[in-house]
Order: sequence, then C-alpha cells, then structure tokens
Amino acid sequence: GENVEQHPSTLSVQEGDSAVIKCTYSDSASNYFPWYKQELGKRPQLIIDIRSNVGEKKDQRIAVTLNKTAKHFSLHITETQPEDSAVYFCAAIPSGGYNKLIFGAGTRLAVHP
Amino acid sequence: NAGVTQTPKFQVLKTGQSMTLQCAQDMNHEYMSWYRQDPGMGLRLIHYSVGAGITDQGEVPNGYNVSRSTTEDFPLRLLSAAPSQTSVYFCASSYVRVGNSPLHFGNGTRLTVT
Repeated sequence: GENVEQHPSTLSVQEGDSAVIKCTYSDSASNYFPWYKQELGKRPQLIIDIRSNVGEKKDQRIAVTLNKTAKHFSLHITETQPEDSAVYFCAAIPSGGYNKLIFGAGTRLAVHP
Repeated sequence: NAGVTQTPKFQVLKTGQSMTLQCAQDMNHEYMSWYRQDPGMGLRLIHYSVGAGITDQGEVPNGYNVSRSTTEDFPLRLLSAAPSQTSVYFCASSYVRVGNSPLHFGNGTRLTVT
C-alpha cells in the first residue's frame, strides 16, 4: 500500500523566514496530494492541494511543488508569521484506493517573533 | 450548518469496556471516515464509508467496528477497549470521494483506556 514519509518532524524558524516541508510517497500511480494544517487543540483543515498533472500551485504565501519522477512533494511557506505555527500533514491517495487518504506523520512548525 | 459533530469530547474507559464514538454531519456528504491521531504517527485511517450501507477497512481497522445506516451518521464502536486504543479520534467527511473534494474534520474525541 501507499507509504507517505514526511520530513522534518519539527521545524523552527524566525518570523519572516521561509519554511519548507517535504514528503515522499511510494506509489508512483498516486495522483492527489493535499496538505492539512492543525493548530494546537484544533481540527485539521485543508490548506492547499495539488494533482499529478500539475507541477506547482500557489495560494498567497503558500505553495506546493510536485516531482513525480522523484515521488516527492513539498510545502513552501514564505514570509512566515506566528499564526503559521501549527502541525502540518501531507497526504496521498494510493492507486486503486480512491477513498483512502494516507497521511504523513506531521511536521510541527514553530515561528518565533 | 454544524458541519461534522463528534461526541463525546473526552472519554475514559477501563480495559475491556465497550463504547461507541458518535459522528454526525449535516452537509449531505457521501463519504465519511474515522482516523486516529497518535504522537509521531500522524493520522491513520481506521474505517471509511462511501455511502449508506457501505463500509470498508482502512489502515488500522482491528478492534473497531463501524456501520452506516444513514447518510448523516457514522458511529465507531470499540467492542473491548485496550490501552493501545488510547488516542484522539477524528471523524471526517467529504462531499464525494476523497480525492475530488476536501475532507472536513470534526473536533475530535480524546479517549483514554486504563
């Protein structure tokens, strides 16, 4: 089945710096890659997603890139702010498993003022 | 529009006890699922349903049962609780299959098994 690995597990940056979180997946036929943000004590919420026919997608300070050959995708946050502090999860849908969303272990991002 | 509602918010069980975690959504979503969240392990899929009367297993289904008698409700049953089931449980739903629409999560149920 699909295996999603996420790095780093923790990330600490200064306000205004950029943050990058990387995920690798095992199933080369996977075609949908969302990112969820979970603030402390809250529910996870979708922040951005990308499909396999697109190499990059941006939404204001957030961008996701996909490298299908290397089977990895990354979340980029620019001009980080304290409210970006949260746990971020990447996910993928395995081939043939259209209703199974498999998550990575999460990255705890801390943005220091 | 309440979204996805989970009850209870907190629960403490003794080993061997049974209980049902409730999940209801009022968005007319076809897809519903249960995840457990453990430190360092992310969100792991327990069971999911693509519509009333249809359920299937996720990554970690052992020790859990589900049913989907209505579109709105998707309860998770622990038949004989074990300390390894101590976790935060999230119910999530989406309008259609999970790759075509985002997952909406409930607020979670924190379960402790002693």
